[in-house]
Amino acid sequence: DVKVTQSSRYLVKRTGEKVFLECVQDMDHENMFWYRQDPGLGLRLIYFSYDVKMKEKGDIPEGYSVSREKKERFSLILESASTNQTSMYLCASSWTGEEDTIYFGEGSWLTVV
Amino acid sequence: QKEVEQDPGPLSVPEGAIVSLNCTYSNSAFQYFMWYRQYSRKGPELLMYTYSSGNKEDGRFTAQVDKSSKYISLFIRDSQPSDSATYLCAMINYGGSQGNLIFGKGTKLSVKP
Repeated sequence: DVKVTQSSRYLVKRTGEKVFLECVQDMDHENMFWYRQDPGLGLRLIYFSYDVKMKEKGDIPEGYSVSREKKERFSLILESASTNQTSMYLCASSWTGEEDTIYFGEGSWLTVV
Repeated sequence: QKEVEQDPGPLSVPEGAIVSLNCTYSNSAFQYFMWYRQYSRKGPELLMYTYSSGNKEDGRFTAQVDKSSKYISLFIRDSQPSDSATYLCAMINYGGSQGNLIFGKGTKLSVKP
């Protein structure tokens, strides 16, 4: 079974803190994604990566950065957390050219106070 | 006009009912159409995947694509309480980067015993 693992399920952070969300996949997927999901707004792409050290901005990259030093690991970084970044964050991964193979992790619930 | 429109519901049906979930879209270039199921506080999981027009059946689930009307549907026969979840449609154009996968906002379904 494909596994996309998000290391932190629930986090509470203070405004201004630096936050790291980690994601690991075990299927040798080229592509990895970070989404956030908010009620009424649906899933919005923050960043995606199609190869190690490669990244592309999604729809809402402001306030976020990413790191992909190894193929299996994709990190989302909030340099200075703000309350409007309180959300559910979803990591996903897939093979290139196989649109039916986008697998999601369980999600990380971040609350910024 | 938004690229993908999906009625958020909530939709409440009795056990055993036939459920119809729908999405409309505006981009005629979309060729791949997916339905994801998302249980509360979990990540989305791929349920059905269809390429171009036509029907696809998998057990109690049928996915239907009408490209002429830019309309996709997911039918659930003999609905069960375990089908209670949010259903997300998603679509992408042929050869498109998976970073361009577009999601609907989801329809929340509740199946009452």
